[in-house]
Amino acid sequence: GDSVTQMEGPVTLSEEAFLTINCTYTATGYPSLFWYVQYPGEGLQLLLKATKADDKGSNKGFEATYRKETTSFHLEKGSVQVSDSAVYFCALMEYGNKLVFGAGTILRVKS
Amino acid sequence: DAGVTQSPTHLIKTRGQHVTLRCSPISGHKSVSWYQQVLGQGPQFIFQYYEKEERGRGNFPDRFSARQFPNYSSELNVNALLLGDSALYLCASSLRGAENSPLHFGNGTRLTVT
Repeated sequence: GDSVTQMEGPVTLSEEAFLTINCTYTATGYPSLFWYVQYPGEGLQLLLKATKADDKGSNKGFEATYRKETTSFHLEKGSVQVSDSAVYFCALMEYGNKLVFGAGTILRVKS
Repeated sequence: DAGVTQSPTHLIKTRGQHVTLRCSPISGHKSVSWYQQVLGQGPQFIFQYYEKEERGRGNFPDRFSARQFPNYSSELNVNALLLGDSALYLCASSLRGAENSPLHFGNGTRLTVT
């Protein structure tokens, strides 16, 4: 079945450092890919998405490019802030409306 | 506009009991999905409903059931609770039940089974 693998955390960075969180997927077709963010005590918020190969999703300084050849959708940000501390989930949606999530990566940003 | 609302926010139950969780979708949204998020893991799909009909079911035992009402709100029921059912239960709504219809999540119900 479909699956998503994320790099394990926690990832600890200093403010203004460069962020990469790796995500790879396995799917039979051509899924849409998503990054969601979860702040403490809250639900999931959609951060960005890409619906086809080579699409780049971007939002709030975060970006991710849909790479079909490497089945990857790595999340990047050039300069992280303390307020970016959260759990980040990579997910795919292939058929219907069902999301398949990775295990999540905790990001901690120190000032 | 109000987002997806879930109630209650927290719940403590004893093994063997049953529980009902409630979800109100964003106004105009006709599809509701339920996910279980165990601590330290990603959410797992439980059910999807669209126009009051079940459209998908994840790999969960029959102790889990759900329904959607004419006003598109939804209930998730879990019978014969086990310790392993302790989790954050997330509800998400979308305009349609179709692929690429973005999901909007509520803040969840934290269920603790003792």
